[in-house]
Amino acid sequence: AQSVTQLGSHVSVSEGALVLLRCNYSSSVPPYLFWYVQYPNQGLQLLLKYTTGATLVKGINGFEAEFKKSETSFHLTKPSAHMSDAAEYFCAVRGAFGNEKLTFGTGTRLTIIP
Amino acid sequence: DAGVIQSPRHEVTEMGQEVTLRCKPISGHNSLFWYRQTMMRGLELLIYFNNNVPIDDSGMPEDRFSAKMPNASFSTLKIQPSEPRDSAVYFCASNIGGNSPLHFGNGTRLTVT
Repeated sequence: AQSVTQLGSHVSVSEGALVLLRCNYSSSVPPYLFWYVQYPNQGLQLLLKYTTGATLVKGINGFEAEFKKSETSFHLTKPSAHMSDAAEYFCAVRGAFGNEKLTFGTGTRLTIIP
Repeated sequence: DAGVIQSPRHEVTEMGQEVTLRCKPISGHNSLFWYRQTMMRGLELLIYFNNNVPIDDSGMPEDRFSAKMPNASFSTLKIQPSEPRDSAVYFCASNIGGNSPLHFGNGTRLTVT
């Protein structure tokens, strides 16, 4: 079974500051990891994903995440926050084998302070 | 690519009434997922289909909930009878299978009074 824990249900950063959203996972098999973003009144959109290969993954809108197996983490970062980054962010995990479900974290709401 | 289309966007109904939510996945996608989102429980997977066949419905909360996928381009989620605790946003998502990304619709906001 797989699960993810997102530390901090709400994060506020100033415009131009570093964004760091934390995600730790638990998985009994090699994991596939994802970050999704949800804007108000919309469905979720894929930001980036890690399956195999390079552990630093770059996504859309300047976001990136690094898979650290030793820390069971997949934190999301962006060097400089923009007002348009205000949204809810979800980390998700899926097992690498079989027809396994995608399990989402509880989400982190990012607020950007002008 | 029109994306995943859900209807209606909003549904307000009285307790005890039947509610039917509809979803049209992206053409060519062969997996379809129904999720429920609430403040208390976050995103919960209710059921998913692969090639129109239900694969896992363990997330369906009660027998009041049922889902069908009669063909590759249409799915319904039905609640009968509805209860106030069913109030939530229901999302449909699809993908081409495997570890391909999920594409979500904009959701149906259900309010049961």
